[in-house]
Amino acid sequence: GESVGLHLPTLSVQEGDNSIINCAYSNSASDYFIWYKQESGKGPQFIIDIRSNMDKRQGQRVTVLLNKTVKHLSLQIAATQPGDSAVYFCAESTSGNTPLVFGKGTRLSVIA
Amino acid sequence: ETGVTQTPRHLVMGMTNKKSLKCEQHLGHNAMYWYKQSAKKPLELMFVYNFKEQTENNSVPSRFSPECPNSSHLFLHLHTLQPEDSALYLCASSQEDLRGGRYGELFFGEGSRLTVL
Repeated sequence: GESVGLHLPTLSVQEGDNSIINCAYSNSASDYFIWYKQESGKGPQFIIDIRSNMDKRQGQRVTVLLNKTVKHLSLQIAATQPGDSAVYFCAESTSGNTPLVFGKGTRLSVIA
Repeated sequence: ETGVTQTPRHLVMGMTNKKSLKCEQHLGHNAMYWYKQSAKKPLELMFVYNFKEQTENNSVPSRFSPECPNSSHLFLHLHTLQPEDSALYLCASSQEDLRGGRYGELFFGEGSRLTVL
């Protein structure tokens, strides 16, 4: 069936380095993608989104890249900080009908 | 503060108990959701309400019963649960363009951690 998943369950980076979290999706009809961050004991929080008519979008220290050809999504975090330690989820939806479908998540650990 | 408040934050119940989870959103949104988050599994959509009408029920067992009395409040009534129902239950809301039928960004509460003994 259609699904959204993540390549790696865990990622460790040194403080100050850049982080890249990847996500693959299988539904070619998906046209809206979101990255969420979930800290321990909290609900998921919106980070950044992108629609399929774009291939890149930048926020504050974060960039989302979308490659529709290979159905791949990535989240880049610049100058990773200890406060970035969390589980990151990608989610997708298809215009017209579907609520967000979430991937399993990648746990990012920042090493001071 | 996300604008979505869930109570209780933690709940322990026996398999024969009846309890309810409550969610309130202060964002003026027109859609509310229940998601289940279990360890090592993706967030699972349980129910969706648009303008108080249930629009999604993802094959959720009848021991989970949602209620949406108005666009700001959402309940999840629990009865005769099983230990495998232990999970974090997340409520979310969003502002949907029903004419366009597009679902967008969700605002989540902190969740209710449920343990079924």
